[in-house]
Formats: sequence, structure tokens, C-alpha cells
Amino acid sequence: DTEVTQTPKHLVMGMTNKKSLKCEQHMGHRAMYWYKQKAKKPPELMFVYSYEKLSINESVPSRFSPECPNSSLLNLHLHALQPEDSALYLCASSQRATGGDATNEKLFFGSGTQLSVL
Amino acid sequence: DQQVKQNSPSLSVQEGRISILNCDYTNSMFDYFLWYKKYPAEGPTFLISISSIKDKNEDGRFTVFLNKSAKHLSLHIVPSQPGDSAVYFCAASGGQNAGGTSYGKLTFGQGTILTVHP
Repeated sequence: DTEVTQTPKHLVMGMTNKKSLKCEQHMGHRAMYWYKQKAKKPPELMFVYSYEKLSINESVPSRFSPECPNSSLLNLHLHALQPEDSALYLCASSQRATGGDATNEKLFFGSGTQLSVL
Repeated sequence: DQQVKQNSPSLSVQEGRISILNCDYTNSMFDYFLWYKKYPAEGPTFLISISSIKDKNEDGRFTVFLNKSAKHLSLHIVPSQPGDSAVYFCAASGGQNAGGTSYGKLTFGQGTILTVHP
């Protein structure tokens, strides 16, 4: 199973709503990521979890709150978003090693959640 | 400051011919490079990667070349097929630093839209 599963595929929410994006992988990967992609732009890193601990937060506003309940699951909680937060939100996972094998940095991406904030 | 650049927004190629996608980078700390293929509203799919200790890596119809002195890499697709039509992203990683804080942080180029005509 080389799949990263994201739900929902599409989400429309108002600026006062609270919603959550979910991501799941069963490849035994110990690093999981949230990326954001705006139309015609490259993906941009938001958060990295390594061994279920937050290791990188790319100065993301607090209205985005990540959570890693276990090694297979990653959530992104959304609250009081702005219309400019509308984008494709991508989850990814990779093996994580303390050794020198750079190939463990190969990320597997999910299909994303297309988010629209009204 | 864009550390990974794909200067060609689009490329059009005839079926059966070679497609060459180019990527330049500025950060000499990058030591692992990847190419991803992306369809609209889907997550990027890993294609091929190369470590900075190599200058060429081949996988079927896909070959990636790395010129470290020029900080340039290219993806060759031979022969090109209509199903190859997609957006191609070059990505780079800083690899294993002492604290591992750059681990998994891929920096993406802007992408090149490849269209392969039958």
C-alpha cells in the first residue's frame, strides 16, 4: 500500500466555521507533512511531523492547527479562515531515518483537499 | 528569493520525440533532487530522483541529469507519450543537516506544463 488518503476531497466553509482535514497512510512512514498549493503555484510547506512530534512550523497562522494522533494519521484543524486561504491542501508522508540515506526524503503525496473559504 | 527555478512555464512536444524539462537552483546545500508530475486537483506523483553524488539516474523512459557545477538539472522523457501531459515540478532538499531541521522540506520550482501532441 503506497497510498496517502485525504478526506474530504472538496470542502467549502464560511469564515466562522470550524472544520478538519484528515490524512492517513499505512506505509509505516514516520514523517508526515502538510503542504498548501495555490493555483498555478508550487506546493509550499506548512508543517512537518516527525515521530508524531511537530518538527517544523513554517510560520503558519494559528487559524491552522495541526494534530498527529498517531503515526498513521495527520489532521489539520481549521478555524476562522480567510478567503485567501482557499487552496489545495496536500498531505504527504516519507520514511524518516537518522542515517545518511537521502532517498528516505522521497515524499508520497495524497490527492489533496480543495478548500474554498467564502 | 526563489531557490529552485523552472524558467519554462510550458513545453509542447510531438508524441515519440524527446521532452527535456530544465531546472536551476541556487542553494549549494541542496543535496537531493526530485521530479514530480501533477495533474489538476491531484497531489504530485513522484517520478524520479537523484542524489548530489551522482550525475545521472535512469528509470525507464525517464532520465534525470545533474550538473552540480552549473547548479542545473534536467529531466528527459523518451519517447514522450500523450499521457505524459501534466505539470512537472522540480524539487530540492537540503538533506541531513546536524539538527535535521531541514529534513523533508522540499523546495519546489514553479512547474512546467508539458503537452505531448499525438
